[in-house]
Amino acid sequence: GAVVSQHPSWVICKSGTSVKIECRSLDFQATTMFWYRQFPKQSLMLMATSNEGSKATYEQGVEKDKFLINHASLTLSTLTVTSAHPEDSSFYICSAREIGGNSYEQYFGPGTRLTVT
Amino acid sequence: SQQGEEDPQALSIQEGENATMNCSYKTSINNLQWYRQNSGRGLVHLILIRSNEREKHSGRLRVTLDTSKKSSSLLITASRAADTASYFCATPAPGGFKTIFGAGTRLFVKA
Repeated sequence: GAVVSQHPSWVICKSGTSVKIECRSLDFQATTMFWYRQFPKQSLMLMATSNEGSKATYEQGVEKDKFLINHASLTLSTLTVTSAHPEDSSFYICSAREIGGNSYEQYFGPGTRLTVT
Repeated sequence: SQQGEEDPQALSIQEGENATMNCSYKTSINNLQWYRQNSGRGLVHLILIRSNEREKHSGRLRVTLDTSKKSSSLLITASRAADTASYFCATPAPGGFKTIFGAGTRLFVKA
């Protein structure tokens, strides 16, 4: 149980276009999902906390107008990279906390590799 | 921001040897977790150790936690080529809601 999926697994887009990444909890409900970004050979950096039914909370230095997050249901959060540029090329990973689960437990998706040309 | 620092940044060993990775953190925590990440893949949860535990085992993994030194170590015994991956420690951010990851150790096990 506790599986999180991401779609797409990889995407290539042209500079200036927008890309949407989906994060789904497949067999549990999650009021909270987290979005991370990981550059090559680096660690995961938390970008934002996605809360179902309310606005996302962004970490310092993350542009909320560039990285749009929508958590429309208890099983789906989306991250839209708007007007993507080559420097946005990265590995994006989401995680989800199960409702009623332990506060420290979160389940990670397999990640989405974004390449902006 | 990252809370944990890990060393070494990279480690190369022969199959069968033990691998030890260390993690230091800055604030008080109630638990610390270790994750593995194969190249270009998602994270796999390895083990969680609570602040009132000093040592924990899971198969070939041994984790220690020293809250007085704000440090933890992950030991992989009898390493295998399949253990080649990046290993991250993760701690709760102040407030306990978010998770902060260390810089990671890249382990390469030569067959």
